Amino acid sequence: QSVLTQPPSVSGAPGQRVTISCTGSRSNIGAGFDVHWYQQIPGTAPKLLIFGNSNRPSGVPDRFSGSKSGTAASLAITGLQAEDEADYYCQSFDTGLSGYVFGTGTTVTVL
Amino acid sequence: QVRLQESGPGLVKPSETLSLTCTVSGGSINGHYWSWIRQPPGKGLEWLGYIYYSGTTNYNPSLKSRVSISIVTSKSQFSLKLNSVTAADTAVYYCARDNCRGGSCHFDDWGQGALVTVSS
Repeated sequence: QSVLTQPPSVSGAPGQRVTISCTGSRSNIGAGFDVHWYQQIPGTAPKLLIFGNSNRPSGVPDRFSGSKSGTAASLAITGLQAEDEADYYCQSFDTGLSGYVFGTGTTVTVL
Repeated sequence: QVRLQESGPGLVKPSETLSLTCTVSGGSINGHYWSWIRQPPGKGLEWLGYIYYSGTTNYNPSLKSRVSISIVTSKSQFSLKLNSVTAADTAVYYCARDNCRGGSCHFDDWGQGALVTVSS
């Protein structure tokens, strides 16, 4: 019952820039709650990629960046590399559900 | 960075109770929120609920009547119980540590995940 909507897939050639959108509503992103992003390589646990809308944990390359505006957020990957092929999820808090919510997930393919 | 490890039966019969335990090592279980998150095969992530080290809980409303999370700080463990399971509860179950700043929480450490299949 995802309340955060992401495109099912995005693709790009090595070296290109891709963006993933995360669209919410006034009960989650639009209410001021932070958006966080996770990368999941198939068969492994999700890994924190961006927290607090735009902050990178130690060890995450600066090719990854996040932003938020209004009821939406986005993740950008610049200088796309083969190792970036994975599923990406956004996450926030929803006041209507009084709990955490994840996005529908986006598969990134490197052509 | 703490290490989390899920443990429990990998096969549960329909209508029975799914039980998993998460053991925390490399850091203290005190002072933190701890969550359970699941992922059905080929699908997205779903947050099930969290527990604070003091015992306070919050559950996903869609599962609230079936889910229960408990904690034993002396053993650095917290546990998930999901009753009356069906095939739709088949998923990889992850435990995770919530990192909360200014009312906003994200999951910065995850277990490797435990596949639980509901089947007779």
